[in-house]
Amino acid sequence: SQQGEEDPQALSIQEGENATMNCSYKTSINNLQWYRQNSGRGLVHLILIRSNEREKHSGRLRVTLDTSKKSSSLLITASRAADTASYFCASLADRGSTLGRLYFGRGTQLTVWP
Amino acid sequence: GAGVSQSPSNKVTEKGKDVELRCDPISGHTALYWYRQSLGQGLEFLIYFQGNSAPDKSGLPSDRFSAERTGGSVSTLTIQRTQQEDSAVYLCASSPDRAQYFGPGTRLTVT
Repeated sequence: SQQGEEDPQALSIQEGENATMNCSYKTSINNLQWYRQNSGRGLVHLILIRSNEREKHSGRLRVTLDTSKKSSSLLITASRAADTASYFCASLADRGSTLGRLYFGRGTQLTVWP
Repeated sequence: GAGVSQSPSNKVTEKGKDVELRCDPISGHTALYWYRQSLGQGLEFLIYFQGNSAPDKSGLPSDRFSAERTGGSVSTLTIQRTQQEDSAVYLCASSPDRAQYFGPGTRLTVT
């Protein structure tokens, strides 16, 4: 399978704490994206990091990418109860027959307790 | 502006019946994707349309599944002779370049 994997599968923290989720992937990528999903419905795009970037910030989100290890991490700082959701990483293949396809991991279920 | 819409939002069908799921992408987005998500699982890629190119059908699980995209816009995913294992949420996404914009999904239940 060319799908990536997130870890942990589930993460439970208190409001105000930081949440870190990791992702590994297998293909050569153009970019890696993180998505959020509430209640098993549509996903919302959070942030995209290109293969030539190492770190990117957006509000309380910080994403890192290590292409040598084929891994990425998503850090949510000062978490809130409203951050409770499933978070997925998705790698965009950059070559061959899979060009243009996004490969999703299985997701991390984040629960933030008030 | 309008996002990706999907219809119906919920569909309950009897085993063996055919179903059609519809996706209206964001206007101007050249790429359209279909995914399937079973309860508590990640997204399973089904099919990908890019402009006028031949679609990437490599994710379709069987020949009971097919999809069309008419006029580079609306797409229909058809499942023939539905089976209970087809029960899942079917998600559609469109993309102008790299990030994908998802619809709310169709929850399909096969009884």
